[in-house]
Amino acid sequence: GAGVSQSPSNKVTEKGKDVELRCDPISGHTALYWYRQRLGQGLEFLIYFQGNSAPDKSGLPSDRFSAERTGESVSTLTIQRTQQEDSAVYLCASSLAAAQGNEKLFFGSGTQLSVL
Amino acid sequence: SQKIEQNSEALNIQEGKTATLTCNYTNYSPAYLQWYRQDPGRGPVFLLLIRENEKEKRKERLKVTFDTTLKQSLFHITASQPADSATYLCALQKGSTLGRLYFGRGTQLTVWP
Repeated sequence: GAGVSQSPSNKVTEKGKDVELRCDPISGHTALYWYRQRLGQGLEFLIYFQGNSAPDKSGLPSDRFSAERTGESVSTLTIQRTQQEDSAVYLCASSLAAAQGNEKLFFGSGTQLSVL
Repeated sequence: SQKIEQNSEALNIQEGKTATLTCNYTNYSPAYLQWYRQDPGRGPVFLLLIRENEKEKRKERLKVTFDTTLKQSLFHITASQPADSATYLCALQKGSTLGRLYFGRGTQLTVWP
């Protein structure tokens, strides 16, 4: 498809389990971002990747969170030992080039994560 | 850290009127400011970007202003329509932190017929 694709769209898990969220960015977009949106809250920056540069991981809330990206394609966000406070919508976005500093972001529809 | 405040969580206006949404920020002045629209169950969609050296930007019925002295951006929708009902988010980008956008909580706009 032409847009950013995220899977699964919904994920229900038990506290303590690990989850993996996937993002397929728009083809040709070198920059990829992960955000978290809790109910009624703004978007919380988690991590971003730009080409082959070291990712900016400064937004990851704890060492239970990690993300990888294969080249300029798919990215996975992994949350280990999930906690109830991890429940949120996880949004992925891509853009042409973060280096320009002014590129608009294209978002996926997100993964709704519910930790019971 | 950057703090972003958007006026009232909800704004209700009548169709045809102009909606004005406010975005205030503290600390450093952003190099760029963007506005997004978010519908329920969907990711945000980019609307407009304005740079720190620009005072105003227009796109069809949308207008954004940027006052770096007041540390404020105003987002206007003229001749509003029920289809404009959504949550509108402002996002700031610090020039030295390329790629990292700070988002406000958003203002939920409802346009009633």
